[in-house]
Amino acid sequence: EIVLTQSPGTLSLSPGERATLSCRASQSVSSSYLAWYQQKPGQAPRLLIYGASSRATGIPDRFSGSGSGTDFTLTISRLEPEDFAVYYCQQYGSSPPDTFGQGTKLEIK
Amino acid sequence: QLQLQESGSGLVKPSQTLSLTCAVSGGSISSGGYSWSWIRQPPGKGLEWIGYIYHSGSTYYNPSLKSRVTISVDRSKNQFSLKLSSVTAADTAVYYCARGGGFMLFDPWGQGTLVTVSS
Repeated sequence: EIVLTQSPGTLSLSPGERATLSCRASQSVSSSYLAWYQQKPGQAPRLLIYGASSRATGIPDRFSGSGSGTDFTLTISRLEPEDFAVYYCQQYGSSPPDTFGQGTKLEIK
Repeated sequence: QLQLQESGSGLVKPSQTLSLTCAVSGGSISSGGYSWSWIRQPPGKGLEWIGYIYHSGSTYYNPSLKSRVTISVDRSKNQFSLKLSSVTAADTAVYYCARGGGFMLFDPWGQGTLVTVSS
C-alpha cells in the first residue's frame, strides 16, 4: 500500500499570496498517477489536478501541480478568498487500495 | 453531465447493517468502462476509500473493511449500492459515491450523506 503524507497540516496565508502544498509518497507513484482534490466545508471533494500536473476541466490556471516519483507539489499562485479549503492528494497508480493523503488545511491568516 | 446522488438510512444501530444506494444520472453506469466507488469521511477527519466495482462486476475492497463490505450494481436502475455489516460508532461518517477508483480518478462525486451509528 502506498502511504501519502501531506505537509504542512495547516497553512495560514493571506489572499494574494502563493501557496505551496506538499505530498510525499512512501514509494514511487506509477506514471505520475497523482491527483489533487479541493474540499470546502459541507461539500464533496472536487478534482483539481490529475496526472500530477494536468488541470481538470474548469480549474483556474492559478492552480498548478508538479512532481514525480515520490514527491509532488500543488501550487496556488495567487490566493483568492474561495481557495481557502482542505486539499487532498490521492494516488491511483497502485490499486487497490486507493489511498489519500491526510489533507492540508489552507486557512486565512 | 453525469451526476451521482446517495440515498439511504441516516441512522443505523450498532451491530446492524448500513445500506446506501448511489443513483447515477446523465449517463449509463454500464458504458465507458468505468469503475464506481464508495468513499467515507468521519466527522472532522480525512477521506477513506471503501471499495469499488468495475464495469465487469469485479469488486475490490479496502483490506481494513473487506470482511464487512459488499458493493453491488443494479444496471436496470442505473445505480450501485453499499452494504457495511456489523457497524459500530467508528463507522459514523459522511459516505460519498464517486465514479472512478482502480487506476481511475474519482470524478464526479455525489454530495455525500451522513450516516450516524447510534442506539
